[in-house]
Amino acid sequence: SQQGEEDPQALSIQEGENATMNCSYKTSINNLQWYRQNSGRGLVHLILIRSNEREKHSGRLRVTLDTSKKSSSLLITASRAADTASYFCATIDGGGSARQLTFGSGTQLTVLP
Amino acid sequence: ETGVTQTPRHLVMGMTNKKSLKCEQHLGHNAMYWYKQSAKKPLELMFVYSLEERVENNSVPSRFSPECPNSSHLFLHLHTLQPEDSALYLCASSQDRNSGNTIYFGEGSWLTVV
Repeated sequence: SQQGEEDPQALSIQEGENATMNCSYKTSINNLQWYRQNSGRGLVHLILIRSNEREKHSGRLRVTLDTSKKSSSLLITASRAADTASYFCATIDGGGSARQLTFGSGTQLTVLP
Repeated sequence: ETGVTQTPRHLVMGMTNKKSLKCEQHLGHNAMYWYKQSAKKPLELMFVYSLEERVENNSVPSRFSPECPNSSHLFLHLHTLQPEDSALYLCASSQDRNSGNTIYFGEGSWLTVV
């Protein structure tokens, strides 16, 4: 079954506003990663947060992780038109036999100029 | 530029054709992956290779045949595909298969089966 699930499926905001995307997962994890995909292109890694971390920053990105709720959020501050893309969360299970990164269906973010 | 190069970027093939997708990584990684991305569906992991050995095959139909001749190259051989196989095929690599590794993706190969 799918591990990570993003919410909302689509988000449209004005340039300069903040964008928040959420991810929920089902089982225990070692870490959670966020990726970005421009239309028709490959995925690009944005940030990784480990299960013992609660918050992480990278430039205009802020990721939080709540393992008790099995959820994560990605906040993009002061959004730009160039941030328009699909954003995916991905998890690797916490078991010793971690095998694959499982992706959700993504949030399509549109930033209007 | 992520260090993972896929060719061709676009491919149109008939159901009776045989074609191959190629992937090359310049990152010195030991693990390589093929993913399938169809419209409005999550990424599907197809195959995983670690040190040139196939370690994962997620019930992919035999009309898809992977080949990993060395740790830098990965192929996906395609034969008698169906129209529903039309999708974006993404190659990726990581340092190894241990948890916590970032995966680096290529730009993908758009496949259309007619």
